[in-house]
Amino acid sequence: DTAVSQTPKYLVTQMGNDKSIKCEQNLGHDTMYWYKQDSKKFLKIMFSYNNKELIINETVPNRFSPKSPDKAHLNLHINSLELGDSAVYFCASSQWSSSEQYFGPGTRLTVT
Amino acid sequence: QKEVEQNSGPLSVPEGAIASLNCTYSDRVSQSFFWYRQYSGKSPELIMSIYSNGDKEDGRFTAQLNKASQYVSLLIRDSQPSDSATYLCAVTPGGNKLTFGTGTQLKVEL
Repeated sequence: DTAVSQTPKYLVTQMGNDKSIKCEQNLGHDTMYWYKQDSKKFLKIMFSYNNKELIINETVPNRFSPKSPDKAHLNLHINSLELGDSAVYFCASSQWSSSEQYFGPGTRLTVT
Repeated sequence: QKEVEQNSGPLSVPEGAIASLNCTYSDRVSQSFFWYRQYSGKSPELIMSIYSNGDKEDGRFTAQLNKASQYVSLLIRDSQPSDSATYLCAVTPGGNKLTFGTGTQLKVEL
């Protein structure tokens, strides 16, 4: 009965490849997020979707493209991966009416 | 100036003591404040939220908010080794965009 789940947990790939990370939540929330946590553990928001509509789009390279097929799912596709994309990517969800966000287990992306 | 500032630590406290974690923020319109706990290799876990000035207690945790001074703190009473983790402060001016601090590493020593 995992609340927020992500796949895969680990992703190792070479520079220039394209990869996707998937996120699903069963909390009944209507808002989902992607965060990036770098090697210094700084957690920064990338995107947010509310009921499949893009709400927050931070200064992120356009190689990153989120997609929300429905309010329970939010995927992240990354094109032309670079070394600097190596990080842990966390998905989170909340109700739009609340700022209390709940995080998935994370996907550790390593670009070689 | 960073938007949300925390001392990176490590903050070392003996078992059974009170651990005091502090956070300051720069945006005066911030309305909601959160503390997350993150164990090494794990995801952030929401442990406290506070929205108005004063203290909010939940078990061994007390969050304190002072909007005039723009700081929020977290007290952990009767600290246990299992409390050893990084504690992240997060604020939002409203809406859902959380800004996180860089976290304070807490070590509770036997």
